[in-house]
Amino acid sequence: GENVEQHPSTLSVQEGDSAVIKCTYSDSASNYFPWYKQELGKGPQLIIDIRSNVGEKKDQRIAVTLNKTAKHFSLHITETQPEDSAVYFCAAKGGTYKYIFGTGTRLKVLA
Amino acid sequence: GAGVSQSPSNKVTEKGKDVELRCDPISGHTALYWYRQSLGQGLEFLIYFQGNSAPDKSGLPSDRFSAERTGGSVSTLTIQRTQQEDSAVYLCASSLAGRSSNQPQHFGDGTRLSIL
Repeated sequence: GENVEQHPSTLSVQEGDSAVIKCTYSDSASNYFPWYKQELGKGPQLIIDIRSNVGEKKDQRIAVTLNKTAKHFSLHITETQPEDSAVYFCAAKGGTYKYIFGTGTRLKVLA
Repeated sequence: GAGVSQSPSNKVTEKGKDVELRCDPISGHTALYWYRQSLGQGLEFLIYFQGNSAPDKSGLPSDRFSAERTGGSVSTLTIQRTQQEDSAVYLCASSLAGRSSNQPQHFGDGTRLSIL
């Protein structure tokens, strides 16, 4: 069935360094890839998304890249800050209504 | 503007009791999803509503779980005869459309359910 693998499961970086989280999807019909940030006790919040007709999208310190051939997409956070500490989820959606979520990455930014 | 609202935010109940969880989606959002998130885990799809179409209930884990959506807006998720393994955070999300339109989901903060 459809699957999204997400790595790493935990990631610790020093404040100011970059963080990269990678996801791989299995359904070649997937064409929409959102990323969510979930803070403790809160629901996931959309931080950036990308559609399959572009290879990269940036929003300030956050960027997402997509390699459709390899079925990979990645989240890049530059100049990390303590408030970036959270759990991050990737997801993939194809021609149906279902979003397939990765298992999450717990990011810790060390001050 | 108002986001997705879920109530209660926390619910503690005894094993065997029934519980009802409520979700108020963003106004105008026709698609509504329920997910379950166990401690430290990802999101498990439970059920999907789209407008007046029949819901997709394929993710409901047992017949103790049911959900309805009245008037295409508010949704309730009911768990009957709760078991300890039902303890989790139940998340609701809504979006502008479902099947072919790639619109982002907007999540509520969830209901944290604890079964004693």
